[in-house]
Amino acid sequence: EAQVTQNPRYLITVTGKKLTVTCSQNMNHEYMSWYRQDPGLGLRQIYYSMNVEVTDKGDVPEGYKVSRKEKRNFPLILESPSPNQTSLYFCASSFERSLTDTQYFGPGTRLTVL
Amino acid sequence: SQQGEEDPQALSIQEGENATMNCSYKTSINNLQWYRQNSGRGLVHLILIRSNEREKHSGRLRVTLDTSKKSSSLLITASRAADTASYFCATLQTGANNLFFGTGTRLTVIP
Repeated sequence: EAQVTQNPRYLITVTGKKLTVTCSQNMNHEYMSWYRQDPGLGLRQIYYSMNVEVTDKGDVPEGYKVSRKEKRNFPLILESPSPNQTSLYFCASSFERSLTDTQYFGPGTRLTVL
Repeated sequence: SQQGEEDPQALSIQEGENATMNCSYKTSINNLQWYRQNSGRGLVHLILIRSNEREKHSGRLRVTLDTSKKSSSLLITASRAADTASYFCATLQTGANNLFFGTGTRLTVIP
């Protein structure tokens, strides 16, 4: 089944404890992206990647890192999480780098930073 | 910001009625996409309309795009309770590599 998977789905952590949220897609998509969703603010893009080893900042990259060592995986790393990073996170992928087609979204990761 | 804005923020209708939601944006775009999100879950792509298109249909969905007014509308005809969700527009700005999402319209369809 074609899908985007994220792990973990739920995570509660404490300030400063490094964490990684994994994202994987099995559709051979070129483009991958991370968003965070907060009430009243909609979805805001954190980082995106148009190909292996190519990553770029989105709207709200501060406090986050990403890597794209393989085409299928695009992990999101929070080196030192803070409470303002409590949010619902979505990974997405698209076949076309140019975003002229559908984006497929993962099920989301709900992160709480205490 | 390029971020689109949906209107209304919330909409409540009876089953069988039509639902219309609007999206406005600020700069020239390559395409505009509509997504649906059931509560707390991932977004599902509904329809994509390119800047040189004015109208597209998909099942009970009809999307229009007016680039002169920088606006789009999503019409859901003969609504069903299962259509209850949040609907987001997302724009791909000309020359950009990322989508900008609006804040969404929360649609409630009452059985």
